[in-house]
Amino acid sequence: IAGITQAPTSQILAAGRRMTLRCTQDMRHNAMYWYRQDLGLGLRLIHYSNTAGTTGKGEVPDGYSVSRANTDDFPLTLASAVPSQTSVYFCASSDSTGRSGSSYNEQFFGPGTRLTVL
Amino acid sequence: AQTVTQSQPEMSVQEAETVTLSCTYDTSESDYYLFWYKQPPSRQMILVIRQEAYKQQNATENRFSVNFQKAAKSFSLKISDSQLGDAAMYFCAYRSSSGAGSYQLTFGKGTKLSVIP
Repeated sequence: IAGITQAPTSQILAAGRRMTLRCTQDMRHNAMYWYRQDLGLGLRLIHYSNTAGTTGKGEVPDGYSVSRANTDDFPLTLASAVPSQTSVYFCASSDSTGRSGSSYNEQFFGPGTRLTVL
Repeated sequence: AQTVTQSQPEMSVQEAETVTLSCTYDTSESDYYLFWYKQPPSRQMILVIRQEAYKQQNATENRFSVNFQKAAKSFSLKISDSQLGDAAMYFCAYRSSSGAGSYQLTFGKGTKLSVIP
């Protein structure tokens, strides 16, 4: 694989169910992010991780949790899904170490996961 | 906290013409980065152009250029010789250059651009 992959591509979920959205990158980027995209609201940051083993809250973290056990993976978990979490979820990564030259700090995005909570 | 405003929810342009998408932002920082991302119907987020705030020269990438007015906190995107493939949602984004969590992007709400054949 090259870049960022997300799974699943789309999912319909019953309210109250637990769901984990997967994100994997193979670029050895230190920083990773989760955004949600809602019509008319743009993309909003849910959680981020500047390096493996650390995470931080973004603008809309409630109802979501993340972990960063290694450099490549950054799963997003909805412990008990609610209809307001219906959205398109994007994972992104960036290299803040300066190793990548012209792509320094550029965020690369995955293809997104469309989640519907009924 | 920084905010990014895109005041044009929708715009249209005739094929081969030029269109300018506006973006303003609010920040107290002196050093930062600004970006324009394109999102076609495929949903993929594609970086169009990037501007470092410390650079006075406006960034240019082929048919895409920006008008960066630091004092006015304005960052507009100009698309020249518009093509059908330019039809997409365009997002303006801001990123700090320092501080904890400084790698995050703050996005505007987007402008939907239609290209008329």
